[in-house]
Amino acid sequence: AIRMTQSPSSLSASTGDRVTITCRASQGISSYLAWYQQKPGKAPKLLIYTASTLQSGVPSRFSGSGSGTDFTLTISCLQSEDFATYYCQQYYTYPLTFGGGTKVEIK
Amino acid sequence: EVQLVESGGGLIQPGGSLRLSCAASGFTVSSNYMIWVRQAPGKGLEWVSIIYSGGSTYYADSVTGRFTISRDNSKNTLYLQMNSLRAEDTAVYYCARLVNFLGYFDYWGQGTLVTVSS
Repeated sequence: AIRMTQSPSSLSASTGDRVTITCRASQGISSYLAWYQQKPGKAPKLLIYTASTLQSGVPSRFSGSGSGTDFTLTISCLQSEDFATYYCQQYYTYPLTFGGGTKVEIK
Repeated sequence: EVQLVESGGGLIQPGGSLRLSCAASGFTVSSNYMIWVRQAPGKGLEWVSIIYSGGSTYYADSVTGRFTISRDNSKNTLYLQMNSLRAEDTAVYYCARLVNFLGYFDYWGQGTLVTVSS
């Protein structure tokens, strides 16, 4: 199975900060990567797919980049509603696998 | 509007059985790839089982032989029959729609908690 490793596992940031989360795949996955946001007690919400395509309705402060094994999710100007846990997911091959998550907390 | 609503979770003793349901609206379950994903308390996400639009089913190694995914086209509902439950099956179980054969999840249910404990 392809292992997805996210870093950092948690970070503290302030509203207005630029935040970058990294996801690394154990083997090349082209651009078959999605990012999700999960708030406590809620289901994950799709943010980005195909590494950089913004899901409809997702604010433009979210962006994704990368291909192959290294990917990033960037929040350009952190808002209060962005404090959550973020997961990456590869869909290059089965089994579909997720990263361990990055919790974005208020500084 | 697309909506997925899970039900059927609860407290069950080890070795017991439980059936989860996921009622869909706004789209046709049988025409899509549907998946169950679980999240143990404080942990990450793990796919459990998938059913293709053609009816083929697949399972994670951890649940193979114990869990069965199915659907009722007349009710537009997805199911997960869970037998021989273990403590490590304790998790919130989400149903989700998978975009394409190999894809990402564009719609998720709210989740249902399964607790396996004596």
